[in-house]
Amino acid sequence: KAGVTQTPRYLIKTRGQQVTLSCSPISGHRSVSWYQQTPGQGLQFLFEYFSETQRNKGNFPGRFSGRQFSNSRSEMNVSTLELGDSALYLCASSLGGISYNEQFFGPGTRLTVL
Amino acid sequence: TQLLEQSPQFLSIQEGENLTVYCNSSSVFSSLQWYRQEPGEGPVLLVTVVTGGEVKKLKRLTFQFGDARKDSSLHITAAQPGDTGLYLCAGMVSNTGKLIFGQGTTLQVKP
Repeated sequence: KAGVTQTPRYLIKTRGQQVTLSCSPISGHRSVSWYQQTPGQGLQFLFEYFSETQRNKGNFPGRFSGRQFSNSRSEMNVSTLELGDSALYLCASSLGGISYNEQFFGPGTRLTVL
Repeated sequence: TQLLEQSPQFLSIQEGENLTVYCNSSSVFSSLQWYRQEPGEGPVLLVTVVTGGEVKKLKRLTFQFGDARKDSSLHITAAQPGDTGLYLCAGMVSNTGKLIFGQGTTLQVKP
């Protein structure tokens, strides 16, 4: 079974621009979660999509948004980029259970904002 | 707000030593997962524990879930340089599908 794939792997943007990251989950998985990882803050939860609906949301500003398509692929968008948005963005897919839910991560997209 | 506190944050030991990483919370989790992450890659799932008091072994790694399902530990016996990495615990918030991650423990095993 193919793992979780994320594109692009690396991205360099300037302040004020917007960016879209893509995540393809493991076949059969209906849930995709997005995380931001930085050295100072660790792994922080952005949001989770399950069957095309946002099911959970973290404490990030509205500049961070996402969506999920009918094939479970998901995209994350960040508008009006700030320097502090530089991070590794990880997506994880799972079957979507609400009590037992093993998440499998992709390799991440390294975003650098200049 | 559920929080998971991991300790220690950093650990540097010699090959062959034993170590334990702790993951504590005041909240009850329906399950708890341990991941290992290497630089530039995503976390890799090591184990999931579900039942209070559960112990799982994965070669030299032993994972335990606390009786009250609020804490967990990871014990590594005879650590090897290949064990070097960032270890993360993550608790599943009941009936939400949401995972809460600890800050992680950076382990360095020197040959």
